[in-house]
Amino acid sequence: DTAVSQTPKYLVTQMGNDKSIKCEQNLGHDTMYWYKQDSKKFLKIMFSYNNKELIINETVPNRFSPKSPDKAHLNLHINSLELGDSAVYFCASGRASVYEQYFGPGTRLTVT
Amino acid sequence: GIQVEQSPPDLILQEGANSTLRCNFSDSVNNLQWFHQNPWGQLINLFYIPSGTKQNGRLSATTVATERYSLLYISSSQTTDSGVYFCAVSGSARQLTFGSGTQLTV
Repeated sequence: DTAVSQTPKYLVTQMGNDKSIKCEQNLGHDTMYWYKQDSKKFLKIMFSYNNKELIINETVPNRFSPKSPDKAHLNLHINSLELGDSAVYFCASGRASVYEQYFGPGTRLTVT
Repeated sequence: GIQVEQSPPDLILQEGANSTLRCNFSDSVNNLQWFHQNPWGQLINLFYIPSGTKQNGRLSATTVATERYSLLYISSSQTTDSGVYFCAVSGSARQLTFGSGTQLTV
């Protein structure tokens, strides 16, 4: 009965590779988000998405792209991975009518 | 965008002690949440509290929206309370802006 789930939990890959992180929520929420936590534990929004609008944080490189096959899923695709992409990535979801967000367990990405 | 400041940055407590963590924000908000990031990295929702006071066991939180701050109280601290406590807010845009956290060691 997990609310927001992410796969994989850990991802180790080499520079230059392309990878995806999957996110699923079973809360019936209509808005999903991706956040990045850097090595200093600072958390920052990357994207927010509902079926009408994608909002991209302007600091996110265009190598990162969210893909939403349906309302319950928002996957994160990363092309040409760089060392600086190493971080923990959190998916979250919420309802348009309520501002509260629920977070997944995180995916630790290590680029070597 | 909204600025969020948390204090103190680090806090060391003995078991059984009480503590207060503070979150200041720079503009009116529609959402304020407190999270606990445990040593395994999970972000645990503690409170959704854009205004008012809530309590959950040994934890309670108060947000005074008109004065732009929120307080998280931890009573009778336990070793399992260790970790990083984050305050996060959002205004009309729904994306959360996080503070830099308070590292608590019990």
